[in-house]
Amino acid sequence: AQSVTQLDSQVPVFEEAPVELRCNYSSSVSVYLFWYVQYPNQGLQLLLKYLSGSTLVKGINGFEAEFNKSQTSFHLRKPSVHISDTAEYFCAVIPYSSASKIIFGSGTRLSIRP
Amino acid sequence: GAGVSQSPSNKVTEKGKDVELRCDPISGHTALYWYRQSLGQGLEFLIYFQGNSAPDKSGLPSDRFSAERTGGSVSTLTIQRTQQEDSAVYLCASSLDGFTDTQYFGPGTRLTVL
Repeated sequence: AQSVTQLDSQVPVFEEAPVELRCNYSSSVSVYLFWYVQYPNQGLQLLLKYLSGSTLVKGINGFEAEFNKSQTSFHLRKPSVHISDTAEYFCAVIPYSSASKIIFGSGTRLSIRP
Repeated sequence: GAGVSQSPSNKVTEKGKDVELRCDPISGHTALYWYRQSLGQGLEFLIYFQGNSAPDKSGLPSDRFSAERTGGSVSTLTIQRTQQEDSAVYLCASSLDGFTDTQYFGPGTRLTVL
């Protein structure tokens, strides 16, 4: 069975510092990969996604993620965070073999300190 | 344009009662999804509608849960004989086509079962 692990439930970071939010998945088949963000009191929105092609994917708000097939990871990074990046971040996968099933991780709460 | 809307925004009910949650997707989106977000947990996929095809109900947690989508647009998620463990935020999303398209989420319905 496929699963998604977000290793850190909370990540506190100082403003303008870099951040990496980790995501690992387990799957015996190839997958599509996503990062979604949920800002306080707002709905989820897509940050970025990997379907095929370049393993380095750039998303909105200066975020990027790199797909590493050998390590089954899709870590999210930003070189310099802002207070407005405070949110909960969810990693998700869709197995190629079942493009009607999406599996989300449990989320990482990113808090930015001034 | 208008995003995904859900109603009610909050619902408090007594154990054993039935509840109906409504979702209005973005106009023109053929795919519609329901998720459940419990406190401190990630998103749990419930059900997926694609056009006029039979829905993928594989994520529904029990036979007390059902959903329908009328005319390929509005969807209703019904929970019969609610239990306290059904308390959660129920999220609806829609996308132009299938799972690999960007999903646009509604604000959710917070269900509390007393």
